[in-house]
Amino acid sequence: DSGVTQTPKHLITATGQRVTLRCSPRSGDLSVYWYQQSLDQGLQFLIQYYNGEERAKGNILERFSAQQFPDLHSELNLSSLELGDSALYFCASSGTHLATDTQYFGPGTRLTVL
Amino acid sequence: AQSVAQPEDQVNVAEGNPLTVKCTYSVSGNPYLFWYVQYPNRGLQFLLKYITGDNLVKGSYGFEAEFNKSQTSFHLKKPSALVSDSALYFCAVRDSGTYKYIFGTGTRLKVLA
Repeated sequence: DSGVTQTPKHLITATGQRVTLRCSPRSGDLSVYWYQQSLDQGLQFLIQYYNGEERAKGNILERFSAQQFPDLHSELNLSSLELGDSALYFCASSGTHLATDTQYFGPGTRLTVL
Repeated sequence: AQSVAQPEDQVNVAEGNPLTVKCTYSVSGNPYLFWYVQYPNRGLQFLLKYITGDNLVKGSYGFEAEFNKSQTSFHLKKPSALVSDSALYFCAVRDSGTYKYIFGTGTRLKVLA
């Protein structure tokens, strides 16, 4: 168990809908990262937050947004969902913002868009 | 641009034999290199990382990796494979000048009893 929690475990929704995925980092970790894992795209870095501020942006679509709250938990919002958004969404956390940090991954949220 | 390549989709090895999972990278600055393992329906677990110093890095579960700057490689190795090592292995790189993580496409390791 990495200490990173993600809810929900599974989410099934319809095209055009909006969902929110939640992540709680390991105790003491200030950085949160979001990833999308799909069969055709592999593991894609979406975005990083450090202590409430956006730190780095990857291949995140404009329909997606994220934030990190004062208690350091993070939410990933996915809107106007398309079939192609079906994937596993992972959250990871690390102690600081440093590039040398190890990331610890949560168990993931499996999103199915019908 | 940063990139990571894992040239083998799958590696098969007999239990007890040594294993190697290959990774090559491209970065503009100094590379920070990581290996993670993913078991079915689980998140990624950290195995080891290279930041600086000794080119041979030892990690969890008996795995090690060798950083080779001239060949821009960071291959994962284990002297004696176990059936329980069967999983999906990811190499990742971070450029010292960026906060972005780039992951390879993953290599499925199958250890045969």
